Amino acid sequence: DQQVKQNSPSLSVQEGRISILNCDYTNSMFDYFLWYKKYPAEGPTFLISISSIKDKNEDGRFTVFLNKSAKHLSLHIVPSQPGDSAVYFCAASRNDYKLSFGAGTTVTVRA
Amino acid sequence: NAGVMQNPRHLVRRRGQEARLRCSPMKGHSHVYWYRQLPEEGLKFMVYLQKENIIDESGMPKERFSAEFPKEGPSILRIQQVVRGDSAAYFCASSSSGVTYEQYFGPGTRLTVT
Repeated sequence: DQQVKQNSPSLSVQEGRISILNCDYTNSMFDYFLWYKKYPAEGPTFLISISSIKDKNEDGRFTVFLNKSAKHLSLHIVPSQPGDSAVYFCAASRNDYKLSFGAGTTVTVRA
Repeated sequence: NAGVMQNPRHLVRRRGQEARLRCSPMKGHSHVYWYRQLPEEGLKFMVYLQKENIIDESGMPKERFSAEFPKEGPSILRIQQVVRGDSAAYFCASSSSGVTYEQYFGPGTRLTVT
């Protein structure tokens, strides 16, 4: 039933270094992928997305890579900053409103 | 505040009571989605509503759960006769058009059933 999986529940990284978050999916019908960031006591906020016709999308310090054959995507944050400490959710869509989320990865950026 | 608003932020109910969760979408948005996040899990789609219409309730439990989005006022997610397994964070999202992944989320309501 879990169509989107984030196998690493947590990640600790030093400030200035790269954070790499991974996500796997099982449904080959997904054609749009998103990353959300969530702070405690707040709702998820959209971070970056990628269409299945691309393999990379970049927005400032954030880059998402998509490997369709492996059904795998990753989010790179370079350089990591203390304000990046949050829970990151991977989500997928069949180009409609029904988002399927992973369980999230908690990122802690150490000073 | 032009964002999605949810209230209450925290709700405690005893088993068997009713829970009512409210969601006011962003200004100009007429499409509302409810998601539930159980502990240690990701958000799961429950229902998609437009004003006065339920478009897709495929993620709603078959019993005790209902949702509405009246012509006036907020969207309401109603859980009757709550059980401990209903304890979760319930998030509402809204969008300006349907059939879109571009949804803006509210801060959520954390329901605790004792």
